[in-house]
Amino acid sequence: EVQLVQSGAEVKKPGESLTISCKGSGYSFASYWISWVRQMPGKGLEWMGRIDVSDSYTNYGPSFQGHVTFSIDTSISTAYLQWSSLKASDTAMYYCARRTGISAAGFDLWGQGTLVTVSS
Amino acid sequence: DIQMTQSPSSLSASVGDRVTITCRTSQSIKTYLNWYQQKPGKVPRLLIYAASSLQSGVPSRFSGSGSGTDFTLTINNLQPDDFATYYCHQTYSVPWTFGQGTKVEIK
Repeated sequence: EVQLVQSGAEVKKPGESLTISCKGSGYSFASYWISWVRQMPGKGLEWMGRIDVSDSYTNYGPSFQGHVTFSIDTSISTAYLQWSSLKASDTAMYYCARRTGISAAGFDLWGQGTLVTVSS
Repeated sequence: DIQMTQSPSSLSASVGDRVTITCRTSQSIKTYLNWYQQKPGKVPRLLIYAASSLQSGVPSRFSGSGSGTDFTLTINNLQPDDFATYYCHQTYSVPWTFGQGTKVEIK
């Protein structure tokens, strides 16, 4: 089955670090870009950035540059989203999604989402 | 950055209606425009890519049109399963951006 499976929900305190994961299966993982999308409670979708699985080239959205880090482990077909110091405002659902690197394609496959709650 | 303006932000419609949602971009994105559907508590689902191409498995009552800066998502013969929030999304240039969403509610 073609799928992206994300790690489970997390509850953290402000200032703590966190890494969540997104594992692809059933397709050629290196043939797609992985994007991360944030959805704050009751709000819309925000593109955080993308990583090219083939070479780890990244683009970050301006609101996220310097606050999060994307990485890839191709040996286990897994993408990661990392925070070094969480804020309460990072509380949100986070989705990974894939997109082919060519043509005007959309995000045709999404992970199930990882809920991150940051609270003291 | 490319700004996305979706309208309306919400609408009420009845089963069987034809619904039109528009998305305007602040600069030309050719046809690098996608549409997603999201139901409460669920993962977004790709409906339309490249402005007018129907994603596999999506009912044919959904259609997209437009190019440049003006785009439209049309839902013909609205079904109970279609009540959801719809987002446009551009992948022409980074940062890729989403519209603010259109909530389609039951009249």
